[in-house]
Amino acid sequence: DAKTTQPTSMDCAEGRAANLPCNHSTISGNEYVYWYRQIHSQGPQYIIHGLKNNETNEMASLIITEDRKSSTLILPHATLRDTAVYYCIVRVPFTGAGSYQLTFGKGTKLSVIP
Amino acid sequence: GAVVSQHPSRVICKSGTSVKIECRSLDFQATTMFWYRQFPKQSLMLMATSNEGSKATYEQGVEKDKFLINHASLTLSTLTVTSAHPEDSSFYICSARPFRGVQEKLFFGSGTQLSVL
Repeated sequence: DAKTTQPTSMDCAEGRAANLPCNHSTISGNEYVYWYRQIHSQGPQYIIHGLKNNETNEMASLIITEDRKSSTLILPHATLRDTAVYYCIVRVPFTGAGSYQLTFGKGTKLSVIP
Repeated sequence: GAVVSQHPSRVICKSGTSVKIECRSLDFQATTMFWYRQFPKQSLMLMATSNEGSKATYEQGVEKDKFLINHASLTLSTLTVTSAHPEDSSFYICSARPFRGVQEKLFFGSGTQLSVL
């Protein structure tokens, strides 16, 4: 699985958009970008994933650059409950007989400030 | 979304005792479940992968005789920390992959905080 690089920490004002970057310059053509987050003392929570097109769901938007070497997770209106560690993970999709594990890096600790 | 229930959420035990942690998929069948460990201010580290009806696969450095994993059904996997010591104190998290169809995500339990005195 491709390696990712994320900033260690970020602050965001409550109500503003939180933009979390992730670099994955060695991503392969069949690897997806997944985002999970972990609120303190809880298990990780799936947010969104994508291959090359931008994706949006009820939680967030995922913007992937055209060369797919980086991406940005956008929380459009951050709330205090969005304070968490956000993990960007790049891997092949969970299909067939392949491995289904996720390899977590250090992630970005997002602090939403009142 | 799919729910993974992990129990207990917190356990305190004496050194030398064994502790069992349960991971259940409540509304789906899970062919594969994963067990992670997380020390304070560190990321999750995969310990082992369990497949229903077969032996678990352990990551390098994880003692299989100390961390016993049983995946007897498609909805339940258990992790038993045998003869626990203070260095085993950690946050243990399970995750599960749904059995049917193409599933693009894993679902995680809420974690178990183990404190060994």
